[in-house]
Amino acid sequence: GAGVSQSPSNKVTEKGKDVELRCDPISGHTALYWYRQSLGQGLEFLIYFQGNSAPDKSGLPSDRFSAERTGGSVSTLTIQRTQQEDSAVYLCASSSGLDPDTQYFGPGTRLTVL
Amino acid sequence: LAKTTQPISMDSYEGQEVNITCSHNNIATNDYITWYQQFPSQGPRFIIQGYKTKVTNEVASLFIPADRKSSTLSLPRVSLSDTAVYYCLVGDAGFNKFYFGSGTKLNVKP
Repeated sequence: GAGVSQSPSNKVTEKGKDVELRCDPISGHTALYWYRQSLGQGLEFLIYFQGNSAPDKSGLPSDRFSAERTGGSVSTLTIQRTQQEDSAVYLCASSSGLDPDTQYFGPGTRLTVL
Repeated sequence: LAKTTQPISMDSYEGQEVNITCSHNNIATNDYITWYQQFPSQGPRFIIQGYKTKVTNEVASLFIPADRKSSTLSLPRVSLSDTAVYYCLVGDAGFNKFYFGSGTKLNVKP
């Protein structure tokens, strides 16, 4: 079966522009996560969706960041008025939501803000 | 929420056993411990998961002492292809927040 897919794989944008990053989770997975990974750094948790529950947005670094998950499947991470410090790889993961849980990661979107 | 501490880097040679230890002093009763492997330009990949004592699969072993305040990932007979970053992850009881450690960069030399 298909794994987690993300698009685009690379995105170059100018400072101040808005960007949308897409994640297609594994079919049937109820949980979806977004992480950010700066060059040479570990993963930084951003947001978590579980089924139809309200998302846990506590990891979002500023109000310029938002995420949606439509129909319990595809998710979009939006960054408004991008800044150079937003440059990073944005990783999406999904899981079955069962206890214990294992996350399956996508290949990531590399965002470069000029 | 439990956070983790790992060595920043480790060196090894092909054929050796490698042990990477992760500290998680504030681990909660319901938390599981999971290890991931990440190659450059790829997302992390699940290696092994455990709750207590010892878990073994075809790739690695995971040792967890009784107090669960640390865990050790053991990779038997590493090869050059095991060169990667290894992350220790402790799951919050509600599975709504995951904190990856800083990761351990393992460099396997010929």
